[in-house]
Amino acid sequence: DAGVTQSPTHLIKTRGQQVTLRCSPKSGHDTVSWYQQALGQGPQFIFQYYEEEERQRGNFPDRFSGHQFPNYSSELNVNALLLGDSALYLCASSLLGGRDQPQHFGDGTRLSIL
Amino acid sequence: GDSVVQTEGQVLPSEGDSLIVNCSYETTQYPSLFWYVQYPGEGPQLHLKAMKANDKGRNKGFEAMYRKETTSFHLEKDSVQESDSAVYFCALSGSSSNTGKLIFGQGTTLQVKP
Repeated sequence: DAGVTQSPTHLIKTRGQQVTLRCSPKSGHDTVSWYQQALGQGPQFIFQYYEEEERQRGNFPDRFSGHQFPNYSSELNVNALLLGDSALYLCASSLLGGRDQPQHFGDGTRLSIL
Repeated sequence: GDSVVQTEGQVLPSEGDSLIVNCSYETTQYPSLFWYVQYPGEGPQLHLKAMKANDKGRNKGFEAMYRKETTSFHLEKDSVQESDSAVYFCALSGSSSNTGKLIFGQGTTLQVKP
């Protein structure tokens, strides 16, 4: 049973560029959340998708956008990259159901901005 | 807003020592509480959880009691092993959120000396 898979594992971009990260949820899960984890910090919630719609958003600018596809996979897009966007980007999947449904994390995409 | 504080950035016990990793939280709601563990190069994995006050989460010899009166969820183990070395994150999911959004502490690095 495949868990959450993310691609690519590593990515290097320069300031001002745009990036797209991809996530396939754990089999049977319908909800995808994205988190940003800066070095030495805990993950911070970016947003969550269910039924192809954004359900909740954290304190991130509009440069961060996402999409969910009918097969429940998801993309995270970041425009006009800044040096401060360098981080590990984590995808987590779950079943819809709020706090009672545990979130399962992928191993992340390490994004480096030069 | 909701927050989680872990007071120790790093703990360095010897194998066989007892362990307490502190976690305090702030919220106006009735959260679910979690400990996640993260190994190098991997995403966070759910370690244990407690869904309501006075619940005790248990896993692999670790325990954490959900204490509403002191707003704490300290992680404890009687005798640590070298294989327990990892980064541990305390997290909450507020009852006001129907998405299960997680709010993480800063993390505590556990390095067990052989």
